[in-house]
Amino acid sequence: GESVGLHLPTLSVQEGDNSIINCAYSNSASDYFIWYKQESGKGPQFIIDIRSNMDKRQGQRVTVLLNKTVKHLSLQIAATQPGDSAVYFCGGGSNYKLTFGKGTLLTVNP
Amino acid sequence: NAGVTQTPKFRVLKTGQSMTLLCAQDMNHEYMYWYRQDPGMGLRLIHYSVGEGTTAKGEVPDGYNVSRLKKQNFLLGLESAAPSQTSVYFCASSYSGDRTTDTQYFGPGTRLTVL
Repeated sequence: GESVGLHLPTLSVQEGDNSIINCAYSNSASDYFIWYKQESGKGPQFIIDIRSNMDKRQGQRVTVLLNKTVKHLSLQIAATQPGDSAVYFCGGGSNYKLTFGKGTLLTVNP
Repeated sequence: NAGVTQTPKFRVLKTGQSMTLLCAQDMNHEYMYWYRQDPGMGLRLIHYSVGEGTTAKGEVPDGYNVSRLKKQNFLLGLESAAPSQTSVYFCASSYSGDRTTDTQYFGPGTRLTVL
């Protein structure tokens, strides 16, 4: 099966800086990856996803990078804002089933 | 669209009591999932369903049962609650026929405490 893990449990950045949150996965057969944001007391909120046939995908202020060679996934948030403070976690898998990492708590300092 | 909704939001049970958590989605999704989320751990899949009338076991199915009698609803049952089932439970749904995405959309969660 798939194993997904995050590199750092916490990340603190200054408002306006760029944030990078990393994730590693184990199963080279995984063909779909996703990032979620979870605020305290709420359900996970979809941010961005990427298929394994892509290396990069951009959204509004967010970019996901996929390195299949080293089985690494990252989420980049541009110009981080206080409202970005939350737990971010990645997921990976195939055939409609996903395995999720534990999450990185992002704190944005004013 | 309401998306994915869950009932109830909070519940406190005594050991041995039973209860059912209800999940509903209005996105016409084929697949539905039940996860539990515990401190320091990622979401763990309990049971899932790939269509009306079908269910399957996930990573941590023991102590739980599910039913998918209607496409839009997915019920999670605890027949005899145990303190180890204290957790936050999330329902999710995915796939409306678009094969380009496997995005799972989550509900707001049910916080369950078993005393």
